[in-house]
Amino acid sequence: GAVVSQHPSRVICKSGTSVKIECRSLDFQATTMFWYRQFPKKSLMLMATSNEGSKATYEQGVEKDKFLINHASLTLSTLTVTSAHPEDSSFYICSARDLDPASGNTIYFGEGSWLTVV
Amino acid sequence: TQLLEQSPQFLSIQEGENLTVYCNSSSVFSSLQWYRQEPGEGPVLLVTVVTGGEVKKLKRLTFQFGDARKDSSLHITAAQPGDTGLYLCAGANTNAGKSTFGDGTTLTVKP
Repeated sequence: GAVVSQHPSRVICKSGTSVKIECRSLDFQATTMFWYRQFPKKSLMLMATSNEGSKATYEQGVEKDKFLINHASLTLSTLTVTSAHPEDSSFYICSARDLDPASGNTIYFGEGSWLTVV
Repeated sequence: TQLLEQSPQFLSIQEGENLTVYCNSSSVFSSLQWYRQEPGEGPVLLVTVVTGGEVKKLKRLTFQFGDARKDSSLHITAAQPGDTGLYLCAGANTNAGKSTFGDGTTLTVKP
């Protein structure tokens, strides 16, 4: 089945620094990927839609200058948390849509990345 | 804006009991997915339903898509501690890039 890989799975960074998280679709091409933030025992909060070759579409309330998204190829999207602060500590998850009709327009998720800002 | 209401939000049951999780919307979806997520991991796809009235079974899990494709249910028979996790429903629309997620159901099955 379709696989989405996310890296790193865990990262600790100092306040004020930037950290990059990668999301790769391993066996299918994804023109669109999604970035979510999730708090404990809560559902996924969509941050932005990453579009290959164009600017990302951010959800209301998400700072585009703080959460930089780059979707340079059909299999890779990156999320960079700039000037990170402790309140940015969270579980970040990416997903990609498999456009193969046989998949039923399914979204597959990465394993998630725990970010801790100290 | 499409919304998906998922209920119950929390469910704690004993091993061997049955349970049903509901996902309801006023909007029509072209397909609906159910995911299960364990702490610290990404959601794992359980099933995709695409046809109104469709019923799919995955061992002890039964998924149903409403006739009007606005709602879905997940029924677990004889729950086991290994079923513990966060269950998420997500509605997809081929005309839009993103899916709409329910708020999730945290299931705890006690041995």
